[in-house]
Amino acid sequence: GESVGLHLPTLSVQEGDNSIINCAYSNSASDYFIWYKQESGKGPQFIIDIRSNMDKRQGQRVTVLLNKTVKHLSLQIAATQPGDSAVYFCADEGFQKLVFGTGTRLLVSP
Amino acid sequence: SQTIHQWPATLVQPVGSPLSLECTVEGTSNPNLYWYRQAAGRGLQLLFYSVGIGQISSEVPQNLSASRPQDRQFILSSKKLLLSDSGFYLCAWSRWGGNTEAFFGQGTRLTVV
Repeated sequence: GESVGLHLPTLSVQEGDNSIINCAYSNSASDYFIWYKQESGKGPQFIIDIRSNMDKRQGQRVTVLLNKTVKHLSLQIAATQPGDSAVYFCADEGFQKLVFGTGTRLLVSP
Repeated sequence: SQTIHQWPATLVQPVGSPLSLECTVEGTSNPNLYWYRQAAGRGLQLLFYSVGIGQISSEVPQNLSASRPQDRQFILSSKKLLLSDSGFYLCAWSRWGGNTEAFFGQGTRLTVV
């Protein structure tokens, strides 16, 4: 069935470094992808999205890359800050069904 | 502006008791609605989603059910809770038609004892 998976459960970085969080998806029909940030005890919050007709999209300090050939998605966070520490999820939306991956915990140390 | 309300925030229920979690959305019409469950330290498992009143798609066989009695109301229910039903339940909405972000409620932490 459709699923979105992540390669790494935990990513530890130093403050100021760039972070890269990866995600693999399995549904070839997926046409919309979203990255969410979830802080402890809260609901996920939208970070950035990308449609399948694009391969790169940039936001404030964040960039999402989409490689449809290998069904891979990544989130790059520039100059990572302590406030970026959270769990990051990619999600795949197709036919109005939104499916989440396992998640990656990002730990930022000073 | 659109808002989503989910309640209660926390709930402790005995095994075998019924469950009813409610989610309502304001400020939009005909939203897609979703129920997710999140075990501690894990990802979000899609339980149910709905693209319209009375239209419910179930993703995982379980003792839970969902209903959408009104356009902006989504209810998660169980007749008899199991210990394995414990978790963090999240309701979300997105604009009908898809290809847009989903907005989440603050979640309900359910502990079945």
